[in-house]
Amino acid sequence: AQSVTQPDIHITVSEGASLELRCNYSYGATPYLFWYVQSPGQGLQLLLKYFSGDTLVQGIKGFEAEFKRSQSSFNLRKPSVHWSDAAEYFCAVAPGGGALTFGSGTRLQVQP
Amino acid sequence: EAGVTQFPSHSVIEKGQTVTLRCDPISGHDNLYWYRRVMGKEIKFLLHFVKESKQDESGMPNNRFLAERTGGTYSTLKVQPAELEDSGVYFCASSQDPPGRSPLHFGNGTRLTVT
Repeated sequence: AQSVTQPDIHITVSEGASLELRCNYSYGATPYLFWYVQSPGQGLQLLLKYFSGDTLVQGIKGFEAEFKRSQSSFNLRKPSVHWSDAAEYFCAVAPGGGALTFGSGTRLQVQP
Repeated sequence: EAGVTQFPSHSVIEKGQTVTLRCDPISGHDNLYWYRRVMGKEIKFLLHFVKESKQDESGMPNNRFLAERTGGTYSTLKVQPAELEDSGVYFCASSQDPPGRSPLHFGNGTRLTVT
Protein backbone atom coordinates (compact mmCIF):
# COMPACT_ATOMS: atom_id res chain seq x y z
CA ALA A 1 0.00 0.00 0.00
CA GLN A 2 1.14 3.52 -0.67
CA SER A 3 2.15 5.94 2.08
CA VAL A 4 3.19 9.56 2.38
CA THR A 5 5.59 11.05 4.92
CA GLN A 6 5.83 14.71 5.75
CA PRO A 7 8.66 14.81 8.28
CA ASP A 8 8.11 18.40 9.40
CA ILE A 9 5.03 18.88 11.55
CA HIS A 10 5.58 22.60 12.01
CA ILE A 11 7.77 25.12 10.19
CA THR A 12 8.28 28.81 10.87
CA VAL A 13 9.79 31.13 8.30
CA SER A 14 10.16 34.87 8.02
CA GLU A 15 8.14 36.75 5.46
CA GLY A 16 10.17 37.05 2.26
CA ALA A 17 12.29 34.01 3.03
CA SER A 18 12.32 30.93 0.85
CA LEU A 19 10.36 27.83 1.77
CA GLU A 20 10.73 24.13 1.19
CA LEU A 21 8.29 21.57 2.55
CA ARG A 22 9.37 17.97 2.38
CA CYS A 23 7.34 15.02 1.16
CA ASN A 24 8.40 11.43 0.66
CA TYR A 25 6.16 8.72 -0.70
CA SER A 26 6.20 4.98 -0.84
CA TYR A 27 4.65 3.33 -3.86
CA GLY A 28 5.66 0.60 -6.29
CA ALA A 29 5.31 2.67 -9.44
CA THR A 30 5.23 6.36 -10.24
CA PRO A 31 2.07 7.67 -8.63
CA TYR A 32 0.11 10.80 -9.21
CA LEU A 33 1.38 13.37 -6.69
CA PHE A 34 -0.37 16.38 -5.24
CA TRP A 35 0.07 19.25 -2.84
CA TYR A 36 -2.95 20.74 -1.10
CA VAL A 37 -3.22 23.71 1.25
CA GLN A 38 -5.76 24.25 3.99
CA SER A 39 -6.31 27.67 5.48
CA PRO A 40 -8.15 27.90 8.81
CA GLY A 41 -11.83 27.11 8.46
CA GLN A 42 -11.47 26.29 4.80
CA GLY A 43 -11.41 23.15 2.74
CA LEU A 44 -8.34 21.82 1.02
CA GLN A 45 -7.25 23.64 -2.11
CA LEU A 46 -5.11 22.05 -4.79
CA LEU A 47 -1.78 23.84 -5.24
CA LEU A 48 -0.27 21.63 -7.92
CA LYS A 49 -0.08 18.09 -9.24
CA TYR A 50 2.35 15.81 -11.01
CA PHE A 51 1.26 13.06 -13.37
CA SER A 52 4.17 12.61 -15.77
CA GLY A 53 6.60 14.56 -17.92
CA ASP A 54 8.56 17.54 -16.64
CA THR A 55 9.58 16.80 -13.08
CA LEU A 56 9.34 20.46 -12.04
CA VAL A 57 5.72 21.51 -11.83
CA GLN A 58 4.35 24.97 -11.30
CA GLY A 59 1.29 25.62 -9.23
CA ILE A 60 -0.87 28.44 -8.00
CA LYS A 61 0.23 31.20 -5.62
CA GLY A 62 3.85 30.99 -6.79
CA PHE A 63 4.46 27.46 -5.56
CA GLU A 64 6.41 24.79 -7.39
CA ALA A 65 7.35 21.20 -6.64
CA GLU A 66 9.98 18.86 -7.96
CA PHE A 67 9.49 15.14 -8.41
CA LYS A 68 12.65 13.14 -7.74
CA ARG A 69 12.15 9.48 -8.49
CA SER A 70 15.50 8.41 -7.05
CA GLN A 71 14.60 9.95 -3.71
CA SER A 72 10.86 9.18 -3.82
CA SER A 73 10.31 12.81 -3.00
CA PHE A 74 8.01 15.59 -4.10
CA ASN A 75 9.10 18.67 -2.18
CA LEU A 76 7.16 21.91 -2.34
CA ARG A 77 9.01 25.20 -2.71
CA LYS A 78 8.35 28.90 -2.84
CA PRO A 79 11.07 31.51 -3.37
CA SER A 80 9.54 34.22 -1.19
CA VAL A 81 6.88 33.51 1.41
CA HIS A 82 4.02 35.92 2.08
CA TRP A 83 2.14 36.22 5.35
CA SER A 84 -0.97 34.88 3.60
CA ASP A 85 0.84 31.58 2.99
CA ALA A 86 0.44 30.65 6.64
CA ALA A 87 -1.66 27.49 6.52
CA GLU A 88 -1.37 23.73 6.68
CA TYR A 89 0.07 21.92 3.70
CA PHE A 90 -0.64 18.35 2.70
CA CYS A 91 1.19 16.12 0.29
CA ALA A 92 -0.85 13.33 -1.28
CA VAL A 93 -0.43 10.40 -3.60
CA ALA A 94 -2.98 8.63 -5.79
CA PRO A 95 -2.06 5.34 -7.41
CA GLY A 96 -3.23 5.77 -10.97
CA GLY A 97 -6.68 7.14 -10.35
CA GLY A 98 -7.45 5.66 -6.99
CA ALA A 99 -8.29 7.50 -3.82
CA LEU A 100 -5.78 9.97 -2.41
CA THR A 101 -3.49 9.01 0.46
CA PHE A 102 -2.43 12.05 2.45
CA GLY A 103 0.53 12.84 4.61
CA SER A 104 0.00 14.13 8.13
CA GLY A 105 0.49 17.74 7.08
CA THR A 106 2.99 20.54 7.76
CA ARG A 107 1.79 23.65 9.51
CA LEU A 108 3.49 26.78 8.22
CA GLN A 109 3.83 29.85 10.36
CA VAL A 110 5.09 33.10 8.81
CA GLN A 111 6.82 35.66 10.97
CA PRO A 112 6.69 39.34 10.00
CA GLU B 1 -19.94 27.36 -10.03
CA ALA B 2 -20.90 26.49 -6.46
CA GLY B 3 -18.30 24.50 -4.56
CA VAL B 4 -18.67 21.40 -2.45
CA THR B 5 -20.99 22.16 0.44
CA GLN B 6 -21.02 20.33 3.75
CA PHE B 7 -23.55 20.59 6.52
CA PRO B 8 -23.36 21.11 9.41
CA SER B 9 -20.05 22.89 9.83
CA HIS B 10 -19.88 21.80 13.47
CA SER B 11 -21.66 19.14 15.48
CA VAL B 12 -21.32 18.32 19.15
CA ILE B 13 -23.05 15.15 20.30
CA GLU B 14 -22.87 12.78 23.22
CA LYS B 15 -21.47 9.31 23.03
CA GLY B 16 -24.15 6.90 21.87
CA GLN B 17 -26.10 9.46 19.87
CA THR B 18 -26.55 9.50 16.12
CA VAL B 19 -25.24 12.14 13.74
CA THR B 20 -25.78 12.57 10.02
CA LEU B 21 -23.39 14.60 7.92
CA ARG B 22 -24.37 15.84 4.52
CA CYS B 23 -22.32 16.65 1.44
CA ASP B 24 -23.51 18.36 -1.72
CA PRO B 25 -20.91 17.88 -4.44
CA ILE B 26 -20.34 20.15 -7.39
CA SER B 27 -23.10 19.62 -9.90
CA GLY B 28 -22.16 17.05 -12.51
CA HIS B 29 -19.40 15.46 -10.49
CA ASP B 30 -19.90 11.71 -10.52
CA ASN B 31 -17.09 11.00 -8.05
CA LEU B 32 -17.69 11.76 -4.40
CA TYR B 33 -15.30 10.97 -1.57
CA TRP B 34 -15.44 11.08 2.19
CA TYR B 35 -12.30 11.64 4.23
CA ARG B 36 -11.69 12.09 7.93
CA ARG B 37 -8.98 13.78 9.96
CA VAL B 38 -8.73 12.75 13.56
CA MET B 39 -6.87 14.89 16.12
CA GLY B 40 -4.30 16.49 13.82
CA LYS B 41 -3.29 13.23 12.23
CA GLU B 42 -3.30 12.47 8.54
CA ILE B 43 -6.41 12.82 6.44
CA LYS B 44 -7.72 9.31 5.92
CA PHE B 45 -9.86 8.02 3.09
CA LEU B 46 -13.23 6.60 4.07
CA LEU B 47 -15.04 5.81 0.86
CA HIS B 48 -15.62 6.67 -2.78
CA PHE B 49 -18.89 6.86 -4.70
CA VAL B 50 -19.23 6.84 -8.44
CA LYS B 51 -22.71 8.21 -8.97
CA GLU B 52 -24.84 6.24 -6.50
CA SER B 53 -22.55 3.21 -6.30
CA LYS B 54 -19.90 2.60 -3.69
CA GLN B 55 -16.70 2.19 -5.67
CA ASP B 56 -14.42 1.69 -2.68
CA GLU B 57 -15.40 1.62 0.98
CA SER B 58 -12.21 0.10 2.28
CA GLY B 59 -11.57 3.03 4.58
CA MET B 60 -14.80 2.83 6.54
CA PRO B 61 -13.71 2.13 10.13
CA ASN B 62 -16.59 -0.11 11.20
CA ASN B 63 -20.29 -0.80 10.75
CA ARG B 64 -21.29 2.18 12.87
CA PHE B 65 -20.64 4.28 9.77
CA LEU B 66 -23.14 4.25 6.93
CA ALA B 67 -22.76 6.30 3.77
CA GLU B 68 -25.40 6.78 1.13
CA ARG B 69 -25.72 8.66 -2.10
CA THR B 70 -29.25 8.16 -3.30
CA GLY B 71 -29.81 9.34 -6.86
CA GLY B 72 -26.14 10.07 -7.31
CA THR B 73 -26.39 13.63 -6.07
CA TYR B 74 -25.82 14.55 -2.44
CA SER B 75 -24.37 12.10 0.05
CA THR B 76 -24.90 11.47 3.74
CA LEU B 77 -22.62 9.88 6.27
CA LYS B 78 -24.34 8.58 9.38
CA VAL B 79 -22.55 7.60 12.54
CA GLN B 80 -24.68 5.44 14.85
CA PRO B 81 -23.95 5.14 17.70
CA ALA B 82 -21.16 7.69 17.96
CA GLU B 83 -18.07 6.92 20.03
CA LEU B 84 -15.45 9.29 21.44
CA GLU B 85 -12.87 8.22 18.85
CA ASP B 86 -15.17 9.36 16.04
CA SER B 87 -14.35 12.99 16.85
CA GLY B 88 -12.57 14.75 14.05
CA VAL B 89 -13.12 16.70 10.86
CA TYR B 90 -15.00 14.95 8.09
CA PHE B 91 -14.25 16.18 4.59
CA CYS B 92 -16.20 15.56 1.46
CA ALA B 93 -14.68 15.98 -1.98
CA SER B 94 -15.90 15.61 -5.53
CA SER B 95 -14.46 15.39 -9.01
CA GLN B 96 -15.62 14.80 -12.55
CA ASP B 97 -13.10 12.03 -13.05
CA PRO B 98 -10.94 9.97 -10.71
CA PRO B 99 -8.26 12.11 -9.01
CA GLY B 100 -5.58 11.12 -11.50
CA ARG B 101 -7.42 12.91 -14.26
CA SER B 102 -9.18 15.87 -12.72
CA PRO B 103 -8.77 17.90 -9.55
CA LEU B 104 -10.49 16.95 -6.33
CA HIS B 105 -12.62 19.76 -4.90
CA PHE B 106 -13.01 19.71 -1.14
CA GLY B 107 -15.70 21.08 1.10
CA ASN B 108 -14.87 23.01 4.26
CA GLY B 109 -15.48 19.97 6.41
CA THR B 110 -17.73 19.10 9.33
CA ARG B 111 -16.07 19.21 12.72
CA LEU B 112 -17.60 16.46 14.85
CA THR B 113 -17.06 16.40 18.58
CA VAL B 114 -18.30 13.42 20.56
CA THR B 115 -18.39 13.98 24.32
